[in-house]
Amino acid sequence: QKEVEQNSGPLSVPEGAIASLNCTYSDRGSQSFFWYRQYSGKSPELIMSIYSNGDKEDGRFTAQLNKASQYVSLLIRDSQPSDSATYLCAVNTGRRALTFGSGTRLQVQP
Amino acid sequence: DAGVIQSPRHEVTEMGQEVTLRCKPISGHNSLFWYRQTMMRGLELLIYFNNNVPIDDSGMPEDRFSAKMPNASFSTLKIQPSEPRDSAVYFCASSLGQGSTEAFFGQGTRLTVV
Repeated sequence: QKEVEQNSGPLSVPEGAIASLNCTYSDRGSQSFFWYRQYSGKSPELIMSIYSNGDKEDGRFTAQLNKASQYVSLLIRDSQPSDSATYLCAVNTGRRALTFGSGTRLQVQP
Repeated sequence: DAGVIQSPRHEVTEMGQEVTLRCKPISGHNSLFWYRQTMMRGLELLIYFNNNVPIDDSGMPEDRFSAKMPNASFSTLKIQPSEPRDSAVYFCASSLGQGSTEAFFGQGTRLTVV
């Protein structure tokens, strides 16, 4: 079992819709969780961090964490074509560096 | 803030040659990470430094790879001798603290070994 799992996609949504990206992790000791966005040919860019159960909102982005289910998600409201990218989930146990999922490719159709 | 700075941005080298990648972390950050990204394996941690000391090098593929951090503002990743399978994008990232804090990535070095 991979430490951090994501559906590779592509996830295709129409412009203006909500995109829902999901991630599961295997280490129950994980303490911090991050979402990175990576455009083709570019480096990963941090967009959200979440440390406790529940929701965290930042503009059009909402991160959701459920430690009991070992599940973290990212919702993108009012999706725009500029949101088309690969979204990487990253998890940290507190003692190690970030472990990344393989990423979900999001395509927002105009 | 200039962010994490990596050089070179692109490197093409012949098999068997030595390759050195360089990284300057964000000023004040005391953790530095080297990652490698390929289509097949995604983003893999190679080595992680905290306060210039290597903490976890379990991701370094083999003895051909070595990394150093002689001071808080500079790190190198060296491959000697290079092989075609080392072709990848190598990222350096830095963060404020050990472990849980947010990490910020440099622009990466695209390495091609022919």
